[in-house]
Amino acid sequence: AQSVTQPDIHITVSEGASLELRCNYSYGATPYLFWYVQSPGQGLQLLLKYFSGDTLVQGIKGFEAEFKRSQSSFNLRKPSVHWSDAAEYFCAVGPSGYSTLTFGKGTMLLVSP
Amino acid sequence: GAVVSQHPSWVICKSGTSVKIECRSLDFQATTMFWYRQFPKQSLMLMATSNEGSKATYEQGVEKDKFLINHASLTLSTLTVTSAHPEDSSFYICSASERGPTNEQYFGPGTRLTVT
Repeated sequence: AQSVTQPDIHITVSEGASLELRCNYSYGATPYLFWYVQSPGQGLQLLLKYFSGDTLVQGIKGFEAEFKRSQSSFNLRKPSVHWSDAAEYFCAVGPSGYSTLTFGKGTMLLVSP
Repeated sequence: GAVVSQHPSWVICKSGTSVKIECRSLDFQATTMFWYRQFPKQSLMLMATSNEGSKATYEQGVEKDKFLINHASLTLSTLTVTSAHPEDSSFYICSASERGPTNEQYFGPGTRLTVT
């Protein structure tokens, strides 16, 4: 069965500092990997996705993620965090495209001034 | 971009009553819709997948008689929580995709259900 682990429940980053959110997955085949962001009381917005090809994926809002098969990881990065990035971030894995997504427990990002 | 709406955004109901939540795709035809449940500070748990005109496929452990899902048109799916109990209180989120389940899921804003 597929699973996703986000080891950090919450992270605090100073505004302007760099950010890395960790995601490890367990899946038997080539995974489809996603990062979503959820603001309080809101639904999810897709930040970026990896299906195949270049292992460094660029997303919206200046985010990027790198797929490392050897480490079963898909970490999310941003070089300079803005206060508006404060939200909850979910990593997800799916067997094909977007069907039957399995989500991690999420990482809450707090941005300090 | 594709927009998915949910109604109501929040609802309070008494124990034993039923409540219906609507999920609409506003600018695309959603052949597949997904219903998720999210507990406080928890991840999203897929409850069921529905294809337009077909019966929903429920995930293991989800009571299909309690959580009735109808996907009667390409723009509307409904989730009815029957005989609600306080433990059904949760945040319910729907998502929709067009042209089959392998295309991007667009998420609705969610519905906060509180059962008293």
